[in-house]
Amino acid sequence: EVQLVESGGGLVQPGGSLRLSCAASGLTFSSYWMSWARQAPGKGLEWVANINQDGTEKYYVDSVKGRFTISRDNAKNSLYLQMNSLRAEDTALYYCANLVADLSRYCSGTSCSSTTYWYFGLWGRGTLVTVSS
Amino acid sequence: DIQMTQSPSSLSASVGDRVTMTCRASQGIRNDVGWYQQKPGKAPKGLIYAASSLQSGVPSRFSGSGSGTEFTLTISSLQPEDFATYYCLQYNSYPWTFGRGTKVEIK
Repeated sequence: EVQLVESGGGLVQPGGSLRLSCAASGLTFSSYWMSWARQAPGKGLEWVANINQDGTEKYYVDSVKGRFTISRDNAKNSLYLQMNSLRAEDTALYYCANLVADLSRYCSGTSCSSTTYWYFGLWGRGTLVTVSS
Repeated sequence: DIQMTQSPSSLSASVGDRVTMTCRASQGIRNDVGWYQQKPGKAPKGLIYAASSLQSGVPSRFSGSGSGTEFTLTISSLQPEDFATYYCLQYNSYPWTFGRGTKVEIK
């Protein structure tokens, strides 16, 4: 079965740390960019971080830069999110997802260029992180 | 950062209705937009990417359009399983940003 399964969530005090894991099965994990997204209770979705196939490119939302680190272990088919200096506003359900790249062309008027269209293909069910004293 | 302003925040509709929702980007983002559906207690599900391309397995009653700063998701004939919250996402530049969602409720 093709699936992503997150783990590692829990209750942590402000200023504390937590490491989330995402185990992939049924897909060629090493061939995909991967992402973390989150959703605070009763709120909308927020993109958190992306990592490329070999871990050499990483991107973060500003609110977690310097505190969170995305990483992966392709030998273990696993994605991670190390979260340090946690704040109450980090309380959320954290999802991992794989990114599918569609190599295409974008044309505007008579000008066309190669481009990559992205979409989240598979999502996990999420792991809940609660930051509270 | 690019802001995605989604409207309406909620709408009520009946089965069989045609439903449209919009996302406006704070600057031009070509057609680097996706749409996602989320039902209560479930993970999001992808519907559309590149503003108008259907993800695999998505029913043809879903369609997307737009380019530049204005994007639309249309459900041509609302089905019972379509009552959910819908989010747009821009991936033109980092940080990627979602709209705040449109909740489609039963009238």
